[in-house]
Amino acid sequence: QSVLTQPPSVSGAPEQRVTISCTGSSSNIGAGYDVHWYQQLPGTAPKLLIYSNSNRPSGVPDRFSGSKSGTSASLAITGLQAEDEADYYCQSYDSSLSGWVFGGGTKLTVL
Amino acid sequence: QVQLVQSGAEVRKPGASVKVSCETSGYRFTGYYLHWVRQAPGQGLEWMGWISPDSGGTNYAQKFQGRVTMTRDTSISTVYMELSRLSSDDTAVYYCARDQTVHTGIFDYWGQGTLVTVSS
Repeated sequence: QSVLTQPPSVSGAPEQRVTISCTGSSSNIGAGYDVHWYQQLPGTAPKLLIYSNSNRPSGVPDRFSGSKSGTSASLAITGLQAEDEADYYCQSYDSSLSGWVFGGGTKLTVL
Repeated sequence: QVQLVQSGAEVRKPGASVKVSCETSGYRFTGYYLHWVRQAPGQGLEWMGWISPDSGGTNYAQKFQGRVTMTRDTSISTVYMELSRLSSDDTAVYYCARDQTVHTGIFDYWGQGTLVTVSS
């Protein structure tokens, strides 16, 4: 059972928009800790996608965006492409555990 | 360019220990914390702890305290993660990851992963 809750799967057709939610609690996201997002393509290491809630590292397309409100955060992907098919993880700090925690991951399928 | 290169796959019997290395290059080794994250087969990511390459200070996830040891060798810009008293539940890919800025938890570069298999 992950501390941060994500839907196990989402799907969308090419060019559509999808969102992935990440729900936490008062000891992590709700406490004001930043949320980061990672993309993991099959058989590869995770890649930083969004940091500090809504910032994109250099090289990440602006089709990817992040937001945070209250005890939740969201990752939005617009203009879906086949290459976006991957697992996506949210991450934050948890004060009760005194460490970083991840969501359980969401598998994105491009139909 | 920043690179984190990990040691190769390992197979251990239950009760044994394993030590995984992560050799870094392309940046100032002592300037960035390094974390270890693992991923069991078909499962999600699990944070294990961090080490400060500068001071050697560490912080371990509660789940692994008493069983994990993270060390570093500044002469070869390498960090190590040793996990003891292995069980089948420790079968996973282990990743090292660099923290973009001290204690932000923004993992901007990752190693390629090291598969550790625990089997009798």
